[in-house]
Amino acid sequence: GAVVSQHPSRVICKSGTSVKIECRSLDFQATTMFWYRQFPKQSLMLMATSNEGSKATYEQGVEKDKFLINHASLTLSTLTVTSAHPEDSSFYICSARMSNYGYTFGSGTRLTVV
Amino acid sequence: AQKVTQAQTEISVVEKEDVTLDCVYETRDTTYYLFWYKQPPSGELVFLIRRNSFDEQNEISGRYSWNFQKSTSSFNFTITASQVVDSAVYFCALTSSGGSYIPTFGRGTSLIVHP
Repeated sequence: GAVVSQHPSRVICKSGTSVKIECRSLDFQATTMFWYRQFPKQSLMLMATSNEGSKATYEQGVEKDKFLINHASLTLSTLTVTSAHPEDSSFYICSARMSNYGYTFGSGTRLTVV
Repeated sequence: AQKVTQAQTEISVVEKEDVTLDCVYETRDTTYYLFWYKQPPSGELVFLIRRNSFDEQNEISGRYSWNFQKSTSSFNFTITASQVVDSAVYFCALTSSGGSYIPTFGRGTSLIVHP
């Protein structure tokens, strides 16, 4: 089946540094990718929708300058958390839309900012 | 607007008990899809089932079964003879044309199965 590979699975970074999270579709072309953030014991919160070759659409309240999303190819989408702070610590998950009813999720990245 | 409500935050059962996880959804669209995902402690989302709005047939897959009732806008999930490995957070999700087919997730239900 379709697989989305997400890396890194876990990252610890210092406050003020930037962290890049990658999601690659391994055996299909992902025109649309979703990026979610999940706080402990909470649901998945959609951060942004990215379409290959165009700017990402961010959800209300999500800082586009802080969470940079790039979807330059049909197989790669990246989320960069810029100038990370402890409050950015969270679990981030990407998802590729394969159809209106088919979605494949990455395995998630646990970000800890110290 | 679309919405998914999972009223049960946490359920605790003893192994071999049956357990039902509730999911109630809201949408104005006539075409929509409902999903259940399992999220074990490792974090990845495991797809369990998808149902479209035109198919109200219930489904059984091993110890798992799903009851889709449009009359009550519910899509409940039952685990029969629960096992410790079923311990996880379970999410119900909805996509619809009105929501641009972007999944909306419920808050999740944490299921703890004790040996």
